[in-house]
Amino acid sequence: SYELTQPPSVSVSPGQTARITCSGDALPKQYAYWYQQKPGQAPVLVIYKDSERPSGIPERFSGSSSGTTVTLTISGVQAEDEADYYCQSADRSGSYPMVFGGGTKLTVL
Amino acid sequence: EVQLVESGGGLVKPGGSLRLSCAASGFTFSTYSMNWVRQAPGKGLECVSSISESSGSKYYADSVKGRFTISRDNAKNSLYLQMDSLRAEDTAVYYCAKDAEITSDFWYFDLWGRGTLVTVSS
Repeated sequence: SYELTQPPSVSVSPGQTARITCSGDALPKQYAYWYQQKPGQAPVLVIYKDSERPSGIPERFSGSSSGTTVTLTISGVQAEDEADYYCQSADRSGSYPMVFGGGTKLTVL
Repeated sequence: EVQLVESGGGLVKPGGSLRLSCAASGFTFSTYSMNWVRQAPGKGLECVSSISESSGSKYYADSVKGRFTISRDNAKNSLYLQMDSLRAEDTAVYYCAKDAEITSDFWYFDLWGRGTLVTVSS
């Protein structure tokens, strides 16, 4: 079955840059989306269509794509960015299944 | 205010049934596909079911196919999930989630409810 692979954890100090990767064979042909989830809260969309940022999401959040890997980059990490981050991809045409990555715990040291 | 509010969760015995509801407000509910996404305790996200704007198209994850039924009532701005033959592995927080785009092949979520907890245990 199709999977998206994320590292279980990433740690950075405040002010540094955090990069969270997501790998999947279909990603060259399909957009990826990123969600942030803080403890006890619902997920929030932070990046859509690989690199687009929804309104209200800080500019320090950005996304990029290269081959089978997409990357969520958080520049100038703040303590409030500590959360779980999930990538996701899907296509309603039926060509690609709905799937989430396993999630990455971002720790701000 | 744009929001989704889930209800109907609770404790149920294995083999039992439960019906979840999601009340939508602040947007034109009838123009968006809607989804149920669950998260088992300490685990990741899984989209278990989705329904198109007019209920003409439905999606079920393999893990729930044949046991769960999704439906909606556009007149009441409401989404439902009928869960039958529940198993311990169905224990999770169930989120209602709105598609981000109208009538699009791009399948992602821009609005989530706060979730309702379903616990399947004897």
